[in-house]
Amino acid sequence: AQSVTQLDSQVPVFEEAPVELRCNYSSSVSVYLFWYVQYPNQGLQLLLKYLSGSTLVKGINGFEAEFNKSQTSFHLRKPSVHISDTAEYFCAGISSGSARQLTFGSGTQLTVLP
Amino acid sequence: DGGITQSPKYLFRKEGQNVTLSCEQNLNHDAMYWYRQDPGQGLRLIYYSQIVNDFQKGDIAEGYSVSREKKESFPLTVTSAQKNPTAFYLCASSISRGDTGELFFGEGSRLTVL
Repeated sequence: AQSVTQLDSQVPVFEEAPVELRCNYSSSVSVYLFWYVQYPNQGLQLLLKYLSGSTLVKGINGFEAEFNKSQTSFHLRKPSVHISDTAEYFCAGISSGSARQLTFGSGTQLTVLP
Repeated sequence: DGGITQSPKYLFRKEGQNVTLSCEQNLNHDAMYWYRQDPGQGLRLIYYSQIVNDFQKGDIAEGYSVSREKKESFPLTVTSAQKNPTAFYLCASSISRGDTGELFFGEGSRLTVL
């Protein structure tokens, strides 16, 4: 079955420390991959997307992600987090085949501590 | 400014009542979607529409209904048949379904059944 798996439901990290949020996708998910961010009681906002080309994708707010085909991963990273990065982060991929449905992971709550 | 407007932001309902959540977009997007969000479960697709007067069931359509009479509007009705309707509901749109572009989200509607 197609799926996107986020390996950590909660990630606490101190301000100015680096962070990595992990995402793996199944082989039935195509290589169109996305990271979205959701602040409390708001909708989702696109952070970055991988469609093709360079495997290192840069997004907004200093985030970047690396597409790794051999490990079927698309981990999100930031070298130095701020308090304002506290939010829930969702990895998503477009399913292959005719359905072409965007499948979301279960989310990772990033909490930046002072 | 272009975007997606959901209303109401908060809604309370008694058991047995139907409620309708509004979603309007002025992005001229063809495709629109309704997602349900529950803690720890990510986003689950309820219904989607690729074109006016056409819509398809998503993964959890039971107890919900939609209409797409205008390109700009995609209201969701939560019926009394929905056994556990308390959730955060998100409307989204994209240029067309299954393309490589992003989803644009509204700010969500939080429904609480009393």
